Amino acid sequence: DQQVKQNSPSLSVQEGRISILNCDYTNSMFDYFLWYKKYPAEGPTFLISISSIKDKNEDGRFTVFLNKSAKHLSLHIVPSQPGDSAVYFCAASYTGNQFYFGTGTSLTVIP
Amino acid sequence: ETGVTQTPRHLVMGMTNKKSLKCEQHLGHNAMYWYKQSAKKPLELMFVYNFKEQTENNSVPSRFSPECPNSSHLFLHLHTLQPEDSALYLCASSQEPQVQSRGYTFGSGTRLTVV
Repeated sequence: DQQVKQNSPSLSVQEGRISILNCDYTNSMFDYFLWYKKYPAEGPTFLISISSIKDKNEDGRFTVFLNKSAKHLSLHIVPSQPGDSAVYFCAASYTGNQFYFGTGTSLTVIP
Repeated sequence: ETGVTQTPRHLVMGMTNKKSLKCEQHLGHNAMYWYKQSAKKPLELMFVYNFKEQTENNSVPSRFSPECPNSSHLFLHLHTLQPEDSALYLCASSQEPQVQSRGYTFGSGTRLTVV
């Protein structure tokens, strides 16, 4: 059974607007959550993380929000840029270095 | 070279062939991983090596055989594969104990097609 779910396979956003990517999880033992970004023909690259003791973490244009009661996290990108067009994966961990990944959301930022 | 390098980038093999995937990391990390990404499925962890010792084997069939001769190199030996094994195979590395906050560094992957 999939423990981390990204229910939106794709998302299109106008340049300059906010992109919101969502992720849901089922295992309440998860204590760290990460977002990765993947361009075609490249491996995923780490973007931002959040610990379960926080509800928000910010890094430049990227902010991750965690709602533990809803078992939901989201990644906000503001403002969105064409270079942000990629596939975004969320991942969660409770056993140290083993992560459970979602299936990814393909973001297209329209110039 | 920097980062995590995987070779080959593409591989087509018959079901009776034996081939190997290679991964090399130049980051001084102490853990390495093999992940499998099939179409429309999440990344699946296959093997974990911490300090060259295998610590995880997520019920992977024996036709996949990992080898970690040192902390910088990781191999995945393939033998008698099935067409459903066609996928993108990703190698990753990380530095313990910061992996939870800093994540993995992935290679670009090997696109494997079994015919």
